[in-house]
Amino acid sequence: QKEVEQNSGPLSVPEGAIASLNCTYSDRGSQSFFWYRQYSGKSPELIMFIYSNGDKEDGRFTAQLNKASQYVSLLIRDSQPSDSATYLCAVITRGGGSNYKLTFGKGTLLTVNP
Amino acid sequence: EAGVVQSPRYKIIEKKQPVAFWCNPISGHNTLYWYLQNLGQGPELLIRYENEEAVDDSQLPKDRFSAERLKGVDSTLKIQPAELGDSAVYLCASSLGLANTDTQYFGPGTRLTVL
Repeated sequence: QKEVEQNSGPLSVPEGAIASLNCTYSDRGSQSFFWYRQYSGKSPELIMFIYSNGDKEDGRFTAQLNKASQYVSLLIRDSQPSDSATYLCAVITRGGGSNYKLTFGKGTLLTVNP
Repeated sequence: EAGVVQSPRYKIIEKKQPVAFWCNPISGHNTLYWYLQNLGQGPELLIRYENEEAVDDSQLPKDRFSAERLKGVDSTLKIQPAELGDSAVYLCASSLGLANTDTQYFGPGTRLTVL
């Protein structure tokens, strides 16, 4: 079982709709969760992070975390064609001291159709 | 504020040749990462530095890959000799190394093609 799993997509939504991106992780000790956006040919850029159960909102983006279900999601409201990109879920799992591991999922390709 | 700088942006070499990538992190960022990203995949960690110390190099293929971060700022990743399967994008990232958030900022990457 992969440590961080995402549906590779593509996920296609019409402009103005809500896009829902999902991510599951295998290690219950995981502590911090990140969503990155990566445009084709570009490097990943951080959208937001979350480490407490519940919702966290930032503009049109909402991250949702459910540690009991080992599930984190990203909702994009009022989707725009400029949101078309690959969305990467990343998870930090900590060991002792400065030991930690950041693992990325494969990413979900989102296409927003005008 | 300048972001993470990487060079070169593109590199084409023949197999068995050596190659080196350079990274300059964001000023003040103590933690530096080298990732490899294949097409359609997420970044995979090669090595993580805390200042000049390599604290996680468990995924670095040490028979051909090496890295250094002298003086705890710039870093160089080297492959010698390169193989066809090394063709990928090599990403450098840096962060403050905070306890929980550890937000990483990525450079533009170096696209390596091994012929």
